[in-house]
Formats: sequence, structure tokens, C-alpha cells
Amino acid sequence: NAGVTQTPKFRVLKTGQSMTLLCAQDMNHEYMYWYRQDPGMGLRLIHYSVGEGTTAKGEVPDGYNVSRLKKQNFLLGLESAAPSQTSVYFCASLWTGGTEAFFGQGTRLTVV
Amino acid sequence: QQQVKQSPQSLIVQKGGISIINCAYENTAFDYFPWYQQFPGKGPALLIAIRPDVSEKKEGRFTISFNKSAKQFSLHIMDSQPGDSATYFCAASYVSLNTGGFKTIFGAGTRLFVKA
Repeated sequence: NAGVTQTPKFRVLKTGQSMTLLCAQDMNHEYMYWYRQDPGMGLRLIHYSVGEGTTAKGEVPDGYNVSRLKKQNFLLGLESAAPSQTSVYFCASLWTGGTEAFFGQGTRLTVV
Repeated sequence: QQQVKQSPQSLIVQKGGISIINCAYENTAFDYFPWYQQFPGKGPALLIAIRPDVSEKKEGRFTISFNKSAKQFSLHIMDSQPGDSATYFCAASYVSLNTGGFKTIFGAGTRLFVKA
């Protein structure tokens, strides 16, 4: 049972480049989340989804877009990467009515 | 503006000692308070959680103390072990009125190191 899988695990981008981070979960969870983790800032919610075809903004959504075309996948896009987006990104999922979020192993992104 | 404030930022404890991490919140809409544990290179994992209708919850060596009137809660790790060395995040959750979704706000984290 894979749980929550993030792809890729590491990436280096040049300023202005675009990329998509993929999160896949095999637990049939309705809710999915994207967080970024920065030193001294904890985990901050970027966007989340309460079901297939729905997305909503979190605490720090600027510069990011998301899509949830399939229930098991939640994509995070950076249209024009900036050095301020250098971070570790975590995806998480949660079943409806549940309270425990299951996290992926993270994607370390560096924007130079 | 951080909705969940966590302290200390780092903590060094001797093996066998007690580790204490404190958190405070402002939003009274929060109704679930989990603690997550994160090892290097891994994603956070749920350690223990509490609802605001109880003042304490204990699971093995881990205890949450909750003070609803003060809007504060803390994690106590008894008989701390080197294997407990990790980053600990307190968090607070609520159901969004706009989306109906379950949202969790995390504290800044505490890096715990237990000396052997």
C-alpha cells in the first residue's frame, strides 16, 4: 500500500521556468492538500481540494495553481518559478469525516 | 500572522528527561488539536491529538495537556529517548464554512534532540 506518493522528489528550476508537482493517493480519500515547509515557518497550506473537480485557496496561494481532475491525483503547478518558491513541498490526504492527514515524503524544490 | 504559535524553536533534553513543547491559538473555531512528528527526509505523521472537550490525553509516553480558557495546549514526552529526536508540529483544525473542507493550520515546529 503506497499511501501518498509525490513526484518528483527533487528538482532544480531556473527563475521563470514552470513545472508541475504530482501527488497521488491510493486510499480513496476525498480531501487533498498541498503545503510548503520552510525553516521557522512550519507547514503552510497552499491550496486544497475537498473532492474531484474542486479546489480552494489556503494561506499562501499566490504563484501556484492546482487541479484535481481525478480523485486520486492532485497537481500543483508553478507557472513562473521564483527564488521565493524554494521550499520543501508536501502533499497530504484525508478521508471525509477523518482527522488524520497522511503525508507524502515531500518534494525539495530549488529555484535558482 | 501565525494562527498557531509554538515554542520553543529547539529543545535539547537528556535521555530519560521530560520534553515539553507549548502552543497557543487565537481562533475559537478550531476544534481539533493534533501533534505531528517528522523525521528528517520524511513527511509528518500524526502522533497524538485531542478535542477541546477534554483537558488531557495520554498515549504511552506522550501526553497532551489542553487549557481551553487560555487557548493553550502542550505536548509532554516522558522518559525521552534518542529515538524521539525529531521535529514536532502542533496544529489546529476546523471545518471551513466556505468549502466544508477540513483545514489544519500548523505551528512553526520544534526540533527536539535527546542526548544519550
